[in-house]
Amino acid sequence: DVVMTQSPLSLPVTLGQPASISCKSSQRLVYSDGNTYLNWFQQRPGQSPRRLIYKVSNRDSGVPDRFSGSGSGTDFTLKISRVEAEDVGVYYCMQGTHWPFTFGPGTKVDIK
Amino acid sequence: QVHLVDSGGGLVEPGGSLRLSCVDSGFTFSDYYMTWIRQAPGKGLEFISYISPSGTTITYADSVKGRFTISRDNAKNSLYLQMNNLRAEDTAVYYCARRPRELDYWGQGTLVTVSS
Repeated sequence: DVVMTQSPLSLPVTLGQPASISCKSSQRLVYSDGNTYLNWFQQRPGQSPRRLIYKVSNRDSGVPDRFSGSGSGTDFTLKISRVEAEDVGVYYCMQGTHWPFTFGPGTKVDIK
Repeated sequence: QVHLVDSGGGLVEPGGSLRLSCVDSGFTFSDYYMTWIRQAPGKGLEFISYISPSGTTITYADSVKGRFTISRDNAKNSLYLQMNNLRAEDTAVYYCARRPRELDYWGQGTLVTVSS
């Protein structure tokens, strides 16, 4: 199985400051159709996960533009340019290239 | 507006069975791959199974193979998960979601508790 690792696992941030989460996969994530199925999700307490970014860098409709995704191969990053109170939650990366599709362990973002 | 509603969870004894449902609206259900994902209490997320639009392609995670069965009824816009021989480690919130490779929409989840 493809192992997804994230760092840090806990990220206390100051409101208005940037934040960055790293995600690494144990295998390259380019699928045979040419797409890289690396997605990012936010899970607020008591809620279902919500997709923020799909295929590395595409932001979902309604997602604030302070969220951005980048990377290639096996190294990927989610950045929040200026953290707001509503960004508190757990962030997961997930690969949809190799079955079984797998998630990272999650990064818990909270406010200092 | 796309909407997925999970149901069917509950308390069941080890070795028991349960059938989960996911009723979908706001999109052409028969055009999409669908999937089940679970999250044990306080834990991360795990893919369980996915099914093709016609139901002819089905895949399972090793942890549930031989015990769980995914199916769909396109006429009813519904996805199902039949869970047999349940174990304590199957305790989790179960989510249905659309497009397994990209998970663009999720249900609200339904809690399954396996305990005597």
